[in-house]
Amino acid sequence: EVQLLESGGGLVQPGGSLRLSCAASGFTFSSYAMSWVRQAPGKGLEWVSSLSNSGGSTYYADAVKGRFTISRDNSKNTLYLQMNTLRAEDTALYYCAKDRGQLPGSGWYYWGQGTLVTVSS
Amino acid sequence: QSALTQPASVSGSPGQSIIISCTGTSSDVGSYNLVSWYQQHPGKAPKLMIHEVSNRPSGVSNRFSGSKSGNTASLTISGLQAEDEADYYCCSYAGSSILFGGGTKLTVL
Repeated sequence: EVQLLESGGGLVQPGGSLRLSCAASGFTFSSYAMSWVRQAPGKGLEWVSSLSNSGGSTYYADAVKGRFTISRDNSKNTLYLQMNTLRAEDTALYYCAKDRGQLPGSGWYYWGQGTLVTVSS
Repeated sequence: QSALTQPASVSGSPGQSIIISCTGTSSDVGSYNLVSWYQQHPGKAPKLMIHEVSNRPSGVSNRFSGSKSGNTASLTISGLQAEDEADYYCCSYAGSSILFGGGTKLTVL
């Protein structure tokens, strides 16, 4: 059974940093691209970032480019999102999602339950 | 990176069919057959309903179907049921990025 378990969310002041983790199990982690998608309270879904299966190709939304870094450790079956220079508008529930192939774009069948990031003073 | 355009809301009676449109550009929906649709109930994670324009994952009812014409993708739900009431989001690959629509709230009357 595929499982994605996010952690690392919490309350952080504007300008601060957080690192999200997504522990994956139930599939060959190194064979699939992985992504982060967020949802601000009461708002729609917003793609944040994706990473190819090998980690060699990274993709970022303009809203986070230069501030967030996606990475993975295929030996630990874990996806990461390092978030720096956080802003109030980054407040959201952050989902980890498993892509259907080695590269992102073909859809996410498996999602975690999300980890909440709140940026506030 | 502009969001795809969806109607804010649609409604239908049980048994009827509805269509949700998703309009993009020639740089996203129009260029790639990588459009997916998600259903989200309140407080739940999104659920993949359609991938690659018209493919249904295993376990998704055949009442759900997807199509694309030019820069516009569509999700059709036939034989509406009460449990279909939810938010629906389209999503498209756009080269070096991925775009979501703003979401459509489906109300089953």
